[in-house]
Amino acid sequence: QKEVEQNSGPLSVPEGAIASLNCTYSDRGSQSFFWYRQYSGKSPELIMFIYSNGDKEDGRFTAQLNKASQYVSLLIRDSQPSDSATYLCAVLSGGGAGGGNKLTFGTGTQLKVEL
Amino acid sequence: EADIYQTPRYLVIGTGKKITLECSQTMGHDKMYWYQQDPGMELHLIHYSYGVNSTEKGDLSSESTVSRIRTEHFPLTLESARPSHTSQYLCASKSDRNSYTGELFFGEGSRLTVL
Repeated sequence: QKEVEQNSGPLSVPEGAIASLNCTYSDRGSQSFFWYRQYSGKSPELIMFIYSNGDKEDGRFTAQLNKASQYVSLLIRDSQPSDSATYLCAVLSGGGAGGGNKLTFGTGTQLKVEL
Repeated sequence: EADIYQTPRYLVIGTGKKITLECSQTMGHDKMYWYQQDPGMELHLIHYSYGVNSTEKGDLSSESTVSRIRTEHFPLTLESARPSHTSQYLCASKSDRNSYTGELFFGEGSRLTVL
């Protein structure tokens, strides 16, 4: 079982719709959860992070965390063609070398927003 | 905007050559990372550093080596490049002032092609 799992997609949604991206993780001790967006040929950039159960909203983006079920999701409202990218889920947990934290990335979900 | 820089952005070299990929950040971050990513594939951690004179191998075995003599500089070296080393190499850094956030800042990447 992978530490962080995502459906690779592509997930296609029409412009203006809600895009829902899901991620599950295996380490119950995980502390913080991140969503990165990566445009083709570019580097990842952080768009949201969450560390408490529940919802966190930032503009058109909402991150949802359920630690009991070990999943984190990202909702994108009013999807735009410019949202077309790969969305990477990342999970921060202990267990890194020297007692440090370890950030593990999922494989990413490709989102396509169609006109 | 992140202040982390990678050079060269693109490099095409022949088999057997020694190459060094440079990475510098001006944010004073202690933690720095090298990831390897093939097109459309997941990020793989190959090296990381928690500070000066500290380097560790990541989850993916790599023939490359790294050094951390100065806080701001984290170069990656391949002594003898091979076609299997062809990939995108992404450098990242983060601050640990707030352990819950710990946002990763990525450089623009170095795309290496070994002929």
